[in-house]
Amino acid sequence: DVKVTQSSRYLVKRTGEKVFLECVQDMDHENMFWYRQDPGLGLRLIYFSYDVKMKEKGDIPEGYSVSREKKERFSLILESASTNQTSMYLCASSFPQGNGNEKLFFGSGTQLSVL
Amino acid sequence: AQTVTQSQPEMSVQEAETVTLSCTYDTSESDYYLFWYKQPPSRQMILVIRQEAYKQQNATENRFSVNFQKAAKSFSLKISDSQLGDAAMYFCAYRTMDSNYQLIWGAGTKLIIKP
Repeated sequence: DVKVTQSSRYLVKRTGEKVFLECVQDMDHENMFWYRQDPGLGLRLIYFSYDVKMKEKGDIPEGYSVSREKKERFSLILESASTNQTSMYLCASSFPQGNGNEKLFFGSGTQLSVL
Repeated sequence: AQTVTQSQPEMSVQEAETVTLSCTYDTSESDYYLFWYKQPPSRQMILVIRQEAYKQQNATENRFSVNFQKAAKSFSLKISDSQLGDAAMYFCAYRTMDSNYQLIWGAGTKLIIKP
């Protein structure tokens, strides 16, 4: 089975801190994604990457950056955490099939609280 | 811009009965994909069922089936013989045919199973 592992299940940080959320997948997937999940808003795409060192902005990239130095690892960085970035962060990966049949595999999420 | 609406924030059903979760979407595209994802308390999102818009036949996966009404832009999920393990958040999602891999998500419906 595909495994997508997020480094922390819960994280508490202070305003202004630099925060790293790590995600690792073990199935050699080209595509990796970072979503933010908030109640009543569903999932919103922050960034995605379709190859090593490649990244594209999603719907809400402001305040975030990403890094993909190796195929299996996709990091989300909050340069200066703010309270409005308190949220659940979900990482996902997929193998591109070009016909819409690609299936997303998700990690178990990181619940981040910024105080 | 495409949007996905799930009008039921919460639904409950008696174990072994049938429940239908609603999803509507707005798009000007003629070809696209629709998905239902399930997020159990473990928080790991998993794909339940997928429908290609060009297929008239409704998708079915065991106890899960969809009622896809393209003209009405409606994509409801029917769960038959509900089980306690079906308790979860259910998200409807839409994807265009192009290659940006981006899904548009609904806000989710929390399904409660009464024993």
